[in-house]
Amino acid sequence: DAGVTQSPTHLIKTRGQQVTLRCSPISGHKSVSWYQQVLGQGPQFIFQYYEKEERGRGNFPDRFSARQFPNYSSELNVNALLLGDSALYLCASSPGTFYTGELFFGEGSRLTVL
Amino acid sequence: AQTVTQSQPEMSVQEAETVTLSCTYDTSESDYYLFWYKQPPSRQMILVIRQEAYKQQNATENRFSVNFQKAAKSFSLKISDSQLGDAAMYFCALTQGGSEKLVFGKGTKLTVNP
Repeated sequence: DAGVTQSPTHLIKTRGQQVTLRCSPISGHKSVSWYQQVLGQGPQFIFQYYEKEERGRGNFPDRFSARQFPNYSSELNVNALLLGDSALYLCASSPGTFYTGELFFGEGSRLTVL
Repeated sequence: AQTVTQSQPEMSVQEAETVTLSCTYDTSESDYYLFWYKQPPSRQMILVIRQEAYKQQNATENRFSVNFQKAAKSFSLKISDSQLGDAAMYFCALTQGGSEKLVFGKGTKLTVNP
């Protein structure tokens, strides 16, 4: 079975631009979470979606938004990019029910903002 | 607020030897889970081991075991018979029971020397 897939793997943007990152969860998983991992730091929680509804939001500005589609895939959008948004963006999925704590991560999308 | 602290930015171990990675945490919740995740250079983060706070017995997964000291809020990872494939960033993480919002430490980079 395919794991969590993310696209694109690498991208370069300039300040002020907008970016959309995509994530496909493991088949059968209904929950998707997004994390930001700045170089040298641990991942920071951005959003969680379950059954297309937002279940959690981290301490990120409104420039960050996300959504989940009927097939449980998800998009993360970041508007008005800042240099500080340069990071590895990780998507993680889980079954979403009878949650035991394990998240399954994708390899991430590396965003560089110039 | 929940916090996770990993005080060892880098550790090294000889192949076949044992190494212990440290983690302390803080939470006001009584129902929580603790995790160690491994992030190899290929970036896909995978779960190494999980500990439910209500369980007194320390979790063990093959060569990986934890020392969970609830009163001291300490959660260390012991890797026995270290292998070259164990080289990676190791992140300690915490979540409230039922939540998929993981709080990660800054990580420990483990090097395994042949």
